[in-house]
Amino acid sequence: AQRVTQPEKLLSVFIGAPVELKCNYSYSGSPELFWYVQYSRQRLQLLLRHISRESIKGFTADINKGETSFHLKKPFAQEEDSAMYYCALSGLWGNEKLTFGTGTRLTIIP
Amino acid sequence: EPEVTQTPSHQVTQMGQEVILRCVPISNHLYFYWYRQILGQKVEFLVSFYNNEISEKSEIFDDQFSVERPDGSNFTLKIRSTKLEDSAMYFCASSEALRDRGNQPQHFGDGTRLSIL
Repeated sequence: AQRVTQPEKLLSVFIGAPVELKCNYSYSGSPELFWYVQYSRQRLQLLLRHISRESIKGFTADINKGETSFHLKKPFAQEEDSAMYYCALSGLWGNEKLTFGTGTRLTIIP
Repeated sequence: EPEVTQTPSHQVTQMGQEVILRCVPISNHLYFYWYRQILGQKVEFLVSFYNNEISEKSEIFDDQFSVERPDGSNFTLKIRSTKLEDSAMYFCASSEALRDRGNQPQHFGDGTRLSIL
């Protein structure tokens, strides 16, 4: 069965401090991994996907297949980063369903 | 930028009544999805739809649920006889279907909050 675990429901970080949102996954095969973000009163938006290897808004995430993790990182937190962050996975081909984690609410402290 | 739109934003319905949630996917997208999020819980997959038929459905998507693409733009989720536990936020999503480029990211609507009384 495929599963995504985000161990932290809440995370508070000071402005300028590094951010790391944890995500672990379970999948038999090679998944595609995503981070979605939901800012206050806005829709779920794709932040980044591991296949594209992009850095969006300063955030990066790398798959660690040994630890089955896909942690989201940013070296210096900004106030506008406060949001709900969801890690998700799907199969690698064919527009498959997304399996989400429970989400982490990130609060940036001024 | 094109968006997935959902109506209504909030629906209040008596238990046992039928409800239809509506979605307009992004116009050149060919894969459509419904997800739901019960308050305080994770976003859960309900169903995916492609080429006028269901591609995959979850255990949640039982006989009380159905989906339809009645015309070229709308994608609907119907719950025939609502239960209290159907109260949730329902999200529609759509994606392009470019198989030679693998999985395409899903774009989500704002959601419909369904409250069953």
